[in-house]
Amino acid sequence: DVKVTQSSRYLVKRTGEKVFLECVQDMDHENMFWYRQDPGLGLRLIYFSYDVKMKEKGDIPEGYSVSREKKERFSLILESASTNQTSMYLCASSPAHEAYNEQFFGPGTRLTVL
Amino acid sequence: AQSVTQPDIHITVSEGASLELRCNYSYGATPYLFWYVQSPGQGLQLLLKYFSGDTLVQGIKGFEAEFKRSQSSFNLRKPSVHWSDAAEYFCAVGPNTGNQFYFGTGTSLTVIP
Repeated sequence: DVKVTQSSRYLVKRTGEKVFLECVQDMDHENMFWYRQDPGLGLRLIYFSYDVKMKEKGDIPEGYSVSREKKERFSLILESASTNQTSMYLCASSPAHEAYNEQFFGPGTRLTVL
Repeated sequence: AQSVTQPDIHITVSEGASLELRCNYSYGATPYLFWYVQSPGQGLQLLLKYFSGDTLVQGIKGFEAEFKRSQSSFNLRKPSVHWSDAAEYFCAVGPNTGNQFYFGTGTSLTVIP
């Protein structure tokens, strides 16, 4: 069974802390994505990566960075967490090249910044 | 620019009743369209997708969707709703260039006995 896993289901951090959210996929997918999900706003793309060490900004990259050192792993980094980054974070992956390929999602990490 | 609109924020239906969730898209080329479902506390699961061919698409869990180019719509339907269908539903349009998907804001479905 294909799988996208995220390191934590729930996370509580303090303002100013550096936060790492990890995502691992076992499907050998080229593309990986980080979204945040907020009520009434749906899913908004933060960053995506189409290859190792490659990244592209999404719609809301401010306050975030990413790292992809290995094909299966895509990390989201909050350099200095703020309360407005309290949200549900979803990781996804998809194979490259075919535009109609679906994205496979992890279970999400609910981050609370105090 | 691509965009997806789900006009219904929340829908309540009785168990056994039929269901239709609306989705409208704005897209410059042939769209790749998807419906996902998110159960409470879970990630998103693909219900069905359309990229060419027959405009009526069958998916999992008894769902279907119909692509209507003239109306820029891709509405999701189910003839008889089960209590386990209570969830949030997202419509999405796939990438024309690059790899970015665009998601609607979601429709929350409540099923009452």
